[in-house]
Amino acid sequence: EDQVTQSPEALRLQEGESSSLNCSYTVSGLRGLFWYRQDPGKGPEFLFTLYSAGEEKEKERLKATLTKKESFLHITAPKPEDSATYLCAVQAPSGGSYIPTFGRGTSLIVHP
Amino acid sequence: GAGVSQSPSNKVTEKGKDVELRCDPISGHTALYWYRQSLGQGLEFLIYFQGNSAPDKSGLPSDRFSAERTGGSVSTLTIQRTQQEDSAVYLCASSNKGGANVLTFGAGSRLTVL
Repeated sequence: EDQVTQSPEALRLQEGESSSLNCSYTVSGLRGLFWYRQDPGKGPEFLFTLYSAGEEKEKERLKATLTKKESFLHITAPKPEDSATYLCAVQAPSGGSYIPTFGRGTSLIVHP
Repeated sequence: GAGVSQSPSNKVTEKGKDVELRCDPISGHTALYWYRQSLGQGLEFLIYFQGNSAPDKSGLPSDRFSAERTGGSVSTLTIQRTQQEDSAVYLCASSNKGGANVLTFGAGSRLTVL
């Protein structure tokens, strides 16, 4: 059973059409939830870290929120350059280490 | 260095051959991770290094896979007797310590096994 589930798998938006991406998790003892952006042919690039329920972080058109079971990445008035795959990862203690576990990502395409 | 460097960026090999993938992390980063990303799949954890030690190698899919890290810096992932199902992008990441910390990824090594 996946510990991190992202939805939707793919999302197509028109420029300016706001929406949200979801990341639900089932780990215990969450130490951190991370959002990354991945462009084709590149490695994931860090966006946000959230540590506790109720926390919010913002960067340009993106806002990440966290509850005890899920995180949302809200995209306000997206632009074509926001097109990418967005990955969510959680870190929780497991056998003495904190290996980040990633979801499968949401592929976002923003049409001009 | 300024970022995480991986080589080769692309590798095409024949089934049964051995391959070596190299990762040069950010200078001073003690933690190093290898992940594998297949088409349409998420990042699959392979192995984690803290310094030169590998406290967690639970993600290595078979004994054909091995990795080492020397001098607390460069890491090499070796795949012996490659199979077609090994085809994927192999990503390396480093962070300045263990625990809940941001990972900085390299661009990956794309492996194609014919």
